[in-house]
Amino acid sequence: NAGVTQTPKFQVLKTGQSMTLQCAQDMNHNSMYWYRQDPGMGLRLIYYSASEGTTDKGEVPNGYNVSRLNKREFSLRLESAAPSQTSVYFCASSEALFTGQTYGYTFGSGTRLTVV
Amino acid sequence: GDSVTQMEGPVTLSEEAFLTINCTYTATGYPSLFWYVQYPGEGLQLLLKATKADDKGSNKGFEATYRKETTSFHLEKGSVQVSDSAVYFCALRSGGSNYKLTFGKGTLLTVNP
Repeated sequence: NAGVTQTPKFQVLKTGQSMTLQCAQDMNHNSMYWYRQDPGMGLRLIYYSASEGTTDKGEVPNGYNVSRLNKREFSLRLESAAPSQTSVYFCASSEALFTGQTYGYTFGSGTRLTVV
Repeated sequence: GDSVTQMEGPVTLSEEAFLTINCTYTATGYPSLFWYVQYPGEGLQLLLKATKADDKGSNKGFEATYRKETTSFHLEKGSVQVSDSAVYFCALRSGGSNYKLTFGKGTLLTVNP
């Protein structure tokens, strides 16, 4: 099925460990995003990539890095995990910009990360 | 900056009751407005959208009207079902933010049989 695929679905890390969350979309979307979802906070944008080859910080980028590997893939890396990074992480993608139309996002099913 | 405020939940209703979830926004320019739904254990799915004032978005019996004068986009459904139990997010994308959606904090809806 077409859509956004995230791996892994669940992960437990120890404080200080590193890991990379993977995201891939097969809809030929230009823009991709990483959000985190925390109780009572809604969704907060970590990083986004407007198009292949570009990345920009969102609201809460500290402690994270991203790579737009190609048009399909956008990974999120935690270099030294902290308990404050315990959250559910969502990747999303959207159509190209400046098309005169308004598109919503397509979301992946999320990665539930616990840092102990 | 852009912001979205939605009514705090949780909201608990009986099946076939009328649903309203309030959403108001602050944005530059003329934003596009969205409602997303998140079922347990899943990602967010686009429920409906409206791109200009007085537009009505609708899907699966849900409706929301873009009211520029009151900067609101309230979600309504005439008769909810148990299967509508989910978290609902209001979101906007303003003209000054071509890429990013700004989300409200979400409203948990539970529908009891």
